[in-house]
Amino acid sequence: GAGVSQSPRYKVAKRGQDVALRCDPISGHVSLFWYQQALGQGPEFLTYFQNEAQLDKSGLPSDRFFAERPEGSVSTLKIQRTQQEDSAVYLCASSSHGQGRIYGYTFGSGTRLTVV
Amino acid sequence: AQKVTQAQTEISVVEKEDVTLDCVYETRDTTYYLFWYKQPPSGELVFLIRRNSFDEQNEISGRYSWNFQKSTSSFNFTITASQVVDSAVYFCALAFTGGGNKLTFGTGTQLKVEL
Repeated sequence: GAGVSQSPRYKVAKRGQDVALRCDPISGHVSLFWYQQALGQGPEFLTYFQNEAQLDKSGLPSDRFFAERPEGSVSTLKIQRTQQEDSAVYLCASSSHGQGRIYGYTFGSGTRLTVV
Repeated sequence: AQKVTQAQTEISVVEKEDVTLDCVYETRDTTYYLFWYKQPPSGELVFLIRRNSFDEQNEISGRYSWNFQKSTSSFNFTITASQVVDSAVYFCALAFTGGGNKLTFGTGTQLKVEL
């Protein structure tokens, strides 16, 4: 597609529920990132994929967070047993360049997760 | 450790005024990249500029200009003759090649341009 597409746009989950957030990057983009943006804060890094390989997951806040990109294109961020502190906007970004080459990143519009 | 500080939480100006958004960064790396992004109410982050640490030349793009000073670890952003459409949250960010390309963002500056 022309841009990075994320779905759903909004998600309300009851505490304890599992959720899955989808990111469809720009076609052919090698790198894919997930960020978490709490209200009034800047985005914070969660995890990075180069093609299907998850090269960095140092930002995932707990083992309830899991991300995958099995075919090197679409990625899913899964949160198990959601808690109120997981409420945030989850942003996905992609780049045509791999690790070690920093150019532009294209961001999606994000998924706003609200845990009630 | 990487850190980006945007001390201005919110700025309000009247249309046509010039406004400067401050960004101060910390890094131990000699090769790094600085970015500015705009986040309108719709939520997506819109890329404005990327600058590498070896290029201190200031840049101008239309009403936008950037002042990069390594001596003070600052990368400030100026909007000349601001317009209502400039109202958004602006983020400064830092990345370095040894860090897996991930971006470290500041907390953002909310710019409100009023008529």
